[in-house]
Amino acid sequence: DGGITQSPKYLFRKEGQNVTLSCEQNLNHDAMYWYRQDPGQGLRLIYYSQIVNDFQKGDIAEGYSVSREKKESFPLTVTSAQKNPTAFYLCASSIMAGGPFRETQYFGPGTRLLVL
Amino acid sequence: AQSVSQHNHHVILSEAASLELGCNYSYGGTVNLFWYVQYPGQHLQLLLKYFSGDPLVKGIKGFEAEFIKSKFSFNLRKPSVQWSDTAEYFCAVNANTGRRALTFGSGTRLQVQP
Repeated sequence: DGGITQSPKYLFRKEGQNVTLSCEQNLNHDAMYWYRQDPGQGLRLIYYSQIVNDFQKGDIAEGYSVSREKKESFPLTVTSAQKNPTAFYLCASSIMAGGPFRETQYFGPGTRLLVL
Repeated sequence: AQSVSQHNHHVILSEAASLELGCNYSYGGTVNLFWYVQYPGQHLQLLLKYFSGDPLVKGIKGFEAEFIKSKFSFNLRKPSVQWSDTAEYFCAVNANTGRRALTFGSGTRLQVQP
């Protein structure tokens, strides 16, 4: 069964706590992404990685960190520095097919993070 | 930096009505364009995409979109909506700037009444 899996489905964070969201894909995609979804704001890019051991900040990277040690995995850590972490977090992956700049992103089911 | 505008935030239609959701982007160069849909309780799914060629793109479930380069628009259409089309719809752009990530609009919540 191929696809993108995210765990957990719901995550609760206490004040001052770091939490890590998991994202795994078995699609053999080279690029992976983390987006944050808030009501009425669409999706905003947190971090992305085009290749193992390399990643770039997106538009709202402050308070987040990532790693890309394996092609299949791109975990996101929400640190205590992120003051408003309550949101729906979506992981995506993509691969170029049919030529440069031709790629489609596919999304996982998401993790909803709530602050206690 | 590119941006995407979806001017219709909440649309309410009756079944069998026609649908058009607006999407405008701000980038003067080459773009790839996408519409994604998020049904209640489900994850984001690709409806259709435009890379090049015929500006009228057909997607799943009877949806289509037209790329009008001169208007920087990529509006989504469906001739006759069903109750099952109730969902949130997102327009997204990938500009050929070397950054492979998408820029999303704020989304349009569509409610179809039976």
